[in-house]
Amino acid sequence: AQTVTQSQPEMSVQEAETVTLSCTYDTSESDYYLFWYKQPPSRQMILVIRQEAYKQQNATENRFSVNFQKAAKSFSLKISDSQLGDAAMYFCAYWVDSNYQLIWGAGTKLIIKP
Amino acid sequence: DSGVTQTPKHLITATGQRVTLRCSPRSGDLSVYWYQQSLDQGLQFLIQYYNGEERAKGNILERFSAQQFPDLHSELNLSSLELGDSALYFCASSTATLRDSDEQFFGPGTRLTVL
Repeated sequence: AQTVTQSQPEMSVQEAETVTLSCTYDTSESDYYLFWYKQPPSRQMILVIRQEAYKQQNATENRFSVNFQKAAKSFSLKISDSQLGDAAMYFCAYWVDSNYQLIWGAGTKLIIKP
Repeated sequence: DSGVTQTPKHLITATGQRVTLRCSPRSGDLSVYWYQQSLDQGLQFLIQYYNGEERAKGNILERFSAQQFPDLHSELNLSSLELGDSALYFCASSTATLRDSDEQFFGPGTRLTVL
């Protein structure tokens, strides 16, 4: 079965520091996609970053970057220069075309300390 | 603003009742997804429609049903409601491609409270 695991229910970081959120997944597929979504207190789901499994280069979006380790089935999110607005639940999700659905992790609550 | 609209924003009802949640996808998006998020939990995929046809089914209860209309809006019907159905229900849409690995744009959600 395809599963996504986020082992950190909660993380905290000092403003302006760097934090890494972990995500592992289980799959037998070779071609798939991975996503990080952010859910702030407003509850709106916002895409942070995506990674295609066939790409070796790690995706980057401004202060957000991923460390994609395909062999280890690991997909961590690094947030640099943390800002108060980064406080949110972060969800890791996995997509494979044959399933037509996103498989979601349980989420990590990120707290930013001023 | 993602371009996906959901109505109503909040819904309070009693056990045993039936409700309908509505979703309008982004202009041009053919795929609509429904998710359930219970308190402090991740999202559970319920069902997907593509251009009016059911395409994928997740953990959707038999008491729940959905459809996508010719104008591409979608409705999720929840019947014989139970206390445990209280949750945030999200609708998402994605670009009009057969490979839906593209980004899913989420609506603001409908908060359902069953008393």
